[in-house]
Amino acid sequence: EIVLTQSPGTLSLSPGERATLSCRASQSVSSSYLAWYQQKPGQPPRLLIYGASSRATGIPDRFSGSGSGTDFTLTISRLEPEDFAVYYCQQYGSSSSYTFGQGTKLEIK
Amino acid sequence: QVQLQESGPGLVKPSQTLSLTCTVSGGSISGGTYYWSWIRQPAGKGLEWIGRIYTSGSTNYNPSLKSRVTISVDTSKNQFSLKLSSVTAADTAVYYCARDSGSYLYGGWFDPWGQGSLVTVSS
Repeated sequence: EIVLTQSPGTLSLSPGERATLSCRASQSVSSSYLAWYQQKPGQPPRLLIYGASSRATGIPDRFSGSGSGTDFTLTISRLEPEDFAVYYCQQYGSSSSYTFGQGTKLEIK
Repeated sequence: QVQLQESGPGLVKPSQTLSLTCTVSGGSISGGTYYWSWIRQPAGKGLEWIGRIYTSGSTNYNPSLKSRVTISVDTSKNQFSLKLSSVTAADTAVYYCARDSGSYLYGGWFDPWGQGSLVTVSS
């Protein structure tokens, strides 16, 4: 099973700042089969990025994903008030074993 | 656009079987080449994939839950279902259903998701 470790656990920033979230895999993720989700309290996760760098439909271009192999990054170029939430990465390189990271909480400083 | 909605009992007794159904609206569950997955999230914790099904009935399960999980599909009702047997308090969680973009060989991302159904395991 591929274990995903997200860092930092909590990130405190102000609106307008740049956020950089990390997701590290315990082994290489096939073909960059990695997604990112945003979750707000009481809501289901929302798909942001798939294939490591492709934005999902309707996602603002301030969200971008990058990386390959074992190291992946979600970048939010200029934080808006609605961006403060918990972010999860997910790998889907195997049809029988999907795993999620433990999450990064992005909070207002 | 496609929407998903979970339904089922909110309270299950220990050792019994948890049963949930996901109803797909706004499109046919057989439309396209999508899989359909279940994911759960204990309160204040992270996400855990439970398993997925294709409309042919082909399934994949999380190895850690495989012995207790059954996922089935009813294309005539545009629904798929989850059964989790021998539940304990550790199975208390919000259970989500989601459309899965995966293929036979590879997994996929989840989009969209249902709103989630809280299931509590308690006597």
